[in-house]
Amino acid sequence: SAVISQKPSRDICQRGTSLTIQCQVDSQVTMMFWYRQQPGQSLTLIATANQGSEATYESGFVIDKFPISRPNLTFSTLTVSNMSPEDSSIYLCSVGGQTDRTDTQYFGPGTRLTVL
Amino acid sequence: SQKIEQNSEALNIQEGKTATLTCNYTNYSPAYLQWYRQDPGRGPVFLLLIRENEKEKRKERLKVTFDTTLKQSLFHITASQPADSATYLCALGDSGNTPLVFGKGTRLSVIA
Repeated sequence: SAVISQKPSRDICQRGTSLTIQCQVDSQVTMMFWYRQQPGQSLTLIATANQGSEATYESGFVIDKFPISRPNLTFSTLTVSNMSPEDSSIYLCSVGGQTDRTDTQYFGPGTRLTVL
Repeated sequence: SQKIEQNSEALNIQEGKTATLTCNYTNYSPAYLQWYRQDPGRGPVFLLLIRENEKEKRKERLKVTFDTTLKQSLFHITASQPADSATYLCALGDSGNTPLVFGKGTRLSVIA
């Protein structure tokens, strides 16, 4: 299985500022995914980040608001830009099962963001 | 569009009983289905994966069934314990390289 860490684990931010969330994996993976989970809701995919190419965003999410970097096979960042209270969520990164050659997807512990 | 429904938002059960959670889906033919446990404020933790050609899979006190004709998966926790109290999510997928589609989850409470 993959071990995934995220930083920060939580943050409280002011409206209009930006926060960059880091995701580190203990092994090389091709695909990384960023999800958002708003209070009381299920997970919604923000984008898919493939190393060496631009991230692919889902409907309703744009690069200017959620820029993603994927500099290598073990690391990715998601930035939440120009934040508003509606961005208060748990942000999660996940990876495909590249390490054990299964389809299992593993998740990081999440970043709990509160925007005031 | 794809739709996943988990039978109830919340389920209360007495300690020692078997908890059964349901996941139904439409407009999708997934290659596999995964079940996750999620505790408040934390990321989902993988529990079990079952493929379209598998009927049943077990892991300790957990059992998952997958009926592609009914488009339904059942998730059972036998001899439930208060520590099993959490939200359980089902998710459908095609491969490890494609994102999962999640249900809204069922919040299970096991009462001592």
